[in-house]
Amino acid sequence: AQTVTQSQPEMSVQEAETVTLSCTYDTSESDYYLFWYKQPPSRQMILVIRQEAYKQQNATENRFSVNFQKAAKSFSLKISDSQLGDAAMYFCAYRTGANSKLTFGKGITLSVRP
Amino acid sequence: ETGVTQTPRHLVMGMTNKKSLKCEQHLGHNAMYWYKQSAKKPLELMFVYNFKEQTENNSVPSRFSPECPNSSHLFLHLHTLQPEDSALYLCASSQDKGLYGYTFGSGTRLTVV
Repeated sequence: AQTVTQSQPEMSVQEAETVTLSCTYDTSESDYYLFWYKQPPSRQMILVIRQEAYKQQNATENRFSVNFQKAAKSFSLKISDSQLGDAAMYFCAYRTGANSKLTFGKGITLSVRP
Repeated sequence: ETGVTQTPRHLVMGMTNKKSLKCEQHLGHNAMYWYKQSAKKPLELMFVYNFKEQTENNSVPSRFSPECPNSSHLFLHLHTLQPEDSALYLCASSQDKGLYGYTFGSGTRLTVV
């Protein structure tokens, strides 16, 4: 069975600084996709960034980038120039290429200090 | 708005009540999902529908009954719930395969009293 592990329950970052959120996963599949979702207090789950396992290049979306280490099954999210609006819960998620089911980690609460 | 609309936003119900949660999407997606989000727990997948057919039921108690009349609408019928069923219920939709992930609704905050 696939599992997604986010071992840090909470993190804090100073505004304008950089923070990295950790995620590891376990799978025997070769074709899969990884995602980071953000859930602010409004409860809306918003897709932040995604990565295809077959791509070696790390995905980037503006201030958000990932460090995808396929052999280590690690998928961390880096947020640069942190903003107050980045404060939220962040979920790492996984799905195979053959199945629509998305498996989530427990999430991490990120706070941003002004 | 993301394109997935859930109603109601909040619901308080007694253990003997019957209520329904509604989810609607007009994104052209053919898969829809119900997730339960409880405090300090991972999101729990409850049901998956692909092309209106239920393809997954993750050992959900029968007091939760899903219905998918078409690819755009998904319901979760609730009856004789327990206080531990209080949670945020999230609906999502997606293409059945591929890398684009899910589009989520804002959820229904359910409190069972």
